[in-house]
Amino acid sequence: EAEVAQSPRYKITEKSQAVAFWCDPISGHATLYWYRQILGQGPELLVQFQDESVVDDSQLPKDRFSAERLKGVDSTLKIQPAELGDSAMYLCASSETGTGQPQHFGDGTRLSIL
Amino acid sequence: QKEVEQNSGPLSVPEGAIASLNCTYSDRGSQSFFWYRQYSGKSPELIMSIYSNGDKEDGRFTAQLNKASQYVSLLIRDSQPSDSATYLCAVYSGNTPLVFGKGTRLSVIA
Repeated sequence: EAEVAQSPRYKITEKSQAVAFWCDPISGHATLYWYRQILGQGPELLVQFQDESVVDDSQLPKDRFSAERLKGVDSTLKIQPAELGDSAMYLCASSETGTGQPQHFGDGTRLSIL
Repeated sequence: QKEVEQNSGPLSVPEGAIASLNCTYSDRGSQSFFWYRQYSGKSPELIMSIYSNGDKEDGRFTAQLNKASQYVSLLIRDSQPSDSATYLCAVYSGNTPLVFGKGTRLSVIA
């Protein structure tokens, strides 16, 4: 079964440093999502792409976070500078379309900020 | 603010029993409902989707939806220790992001 690929699986870095995460969705999936999940909580949407366009980034802290999906396939999420409160699991998901279709998640990146 | 509520648990059931997980949602216009299983330290895995009132069965899993009561549930028959995980309910309501509950932690005791 096709999977969503994410890297790295784990990232440990110091505050004020830059961090980047990469995601390759399931082939043919037009919609890509980045979520942040804090322990004991459900995933919270950071940004949603439809092809190469941002559909929703209302919860993305734009002073430090950026996301792109230049060719409408894979995507990068960046944090600059990282803060202690950014420690969380960062999840990428994809779906065929953005209209109520099931989302399939990658393995996620566990980020720890020291 | 659209909300999805789940009992955080833990819900403990003996091996072989039926586990019943419940979820309520605030938006009456919600259209699509999903259950995800998440093992500790892992990412969510889609196990059930349901879109219309009634029951939907897939193996040992049954999802039940009652839109009038704004309630969706997941039944796991013949529960196994490998079913021990956090189960996330997620609800889609038109042109808004998928909203997740905080999850219910299930523990199946051998």
